[in-house]
Amino acid sequence: GAVVSQHPSWVICKSGTSVKIECRSLDFQATTMFWYRQFPKQSLMLMATSNEGSKATYEQGVEKDKFLINHASLTLSTLTVTSAHPEDSSFYICSAKLDLSYEQYFGPGTRLTVT
Amino acid sequence: GDSVTQMEGPVTLSEEAFLTINCTYTATGYPSLFWYVQYPGEGLQLLLKATKADDKGSNKGFEATYRKETTSFHLEKGSVQVSDSAVYFCALRPREVTDKLIFGTGTRLQVFP
Repeated sequence: GAVVSQHPSWVICKSGTSVKIECRSLDFQATTMFWYRQFPKQSLMLMATSNEGSKATYEQGVEKDKFLINHASLTLSTLTVTSAHPEDSSFYICSAKLDLSYEQYFGPGTRLTVT
Repeated sequence: GDSVTQMEGPVTLSEEAFLTINCTYTATGYPSLFWYVQYPGEGLQLLLKATKADDKGSNKGFEATYRKETTSFHLEKGSVQVSDSAVYFCALRPREVTDKLIFGTGTRLQVFP
């Protein structure tokens, strides 16, 4: 149980275009989901906390207008990278938190390459 | 701010060897500490955790003890298997912020038969 999926698993897009990444909790409802970014040989860095039905909370230094987060249902959160640039190339990981628990369940990640 | 430091990998071992992956942390107060494991193509999975000083987390033969005096949470296993090959992440959750996790850089473990 407590499986989280991400789609796509990898994506290549051209500079200036936008790309959407989906995060789904497959067998539980998650009021809260998290989006992380991971650079090679570096930690997972929390980008934002996504709350169902309300605006996401972004970490300091993360551009809200560039990384649009929507959490429209209890099982789906999306991250849209707008006007992507090569420096946005990274590994993006989401997690979903069981309600009434601190436990986070992680998706397998999405590799984004911007050319 | 709070942070986690892990030993760099990869760690390469033969099957049945003893494993130690070092993890130290910097935090105010008394954080909860975690080890996550990521197998190829899969998401991070919680391996073990400890919520207060001197607690020992254990799971699947892995152990880690919360050492407040040395601010450490080293991961150990007495006899590794090929199936343990994965990336291991040490993480902390600050006491006053219950949702946020702060991760180390991850250590890749490769076990050969």
